[in-house]
Amino acid sequence: DAGVIQSPRHEVTEMGQEVTLRCKPISGHNSLFWYRQTMMRGLELLIYFNNNVPIDDSGMPEDRFSAKMPNASFSTLKIQPSEPRDSAVYFCASSLQGIGEKLFFGSGTQLSVL
Amino acid sequence: QKEVEQNSGPLSVPEGAIASLNCTYSDRGSQSFFWYRQYSGKSPELIMSIYSNGDKEDGRFTAQLNKASQYVSLLIRDSQPSDSATYLCADSGGSNYKLTFGKGTLLTVNP
Repeated sequence: DAGVIQSPRHEVTEMGQEVTLRCKPISGHNSLFWYRQTMMRGLELLIYFNNNVPIDDSGMPEDRFSAKMPNASFSTLKIQPSEPRDSAVYFCASSLQGIGEKLFFGSGTQLSVL
Repeated sequence: QKEVEQNSGPLSVPEGAIASLNCTYSDRGSQSFFWYRQYSGKSPELIMSIYSNGDKEDGRFTAQLNKASQYVSLLIRDSQPSDSATYLCADSGGSNYKLTFGKGTLLTVNP
């Protein structure tokens, strides 16, 4: 298996632009997580999907952030409009079931908002 | 606010020594604890999980859990330069999906 696949690896954009991050989880995994990592705040859970349904989005910073999982093999995280403080590494992770099973992280998207 | 605290380091040890990484947590209801390793510029990778008080060994790695004192530790025996990375401690806080991560301890193993 290719593991969790994220795209793009790097994204540089200007403040106010829309940003869309993409994730393909490992086939057969029914849990998907979006995390954000910064030096100041560390690794934070943004949103958790189980069987394509958002279960917990309490970590989403504000309404500018939205996430979707239209099917078991694809998820997006959108920021609109983007702001410089959104600059971070965004990781997607998947597992067979919650955290009872091992979490597999994608390679991450390094987002820079100028 | 659930918190997981780690010494940011850097922790520097010579090759072959034992590296000791420590973590404290605030949620007394936490049941599951995890250690992730993150190489610079890479994604986190699970190396150990521990659920019961005491020690759990896996190769050169030993995780230790003390729920009464609310601390978790990771010992790396015979440290190798390839062990140089940031080690993230995480706890589940009783949740079956939500992990709270510490900010990590940077470990450097010197040849």
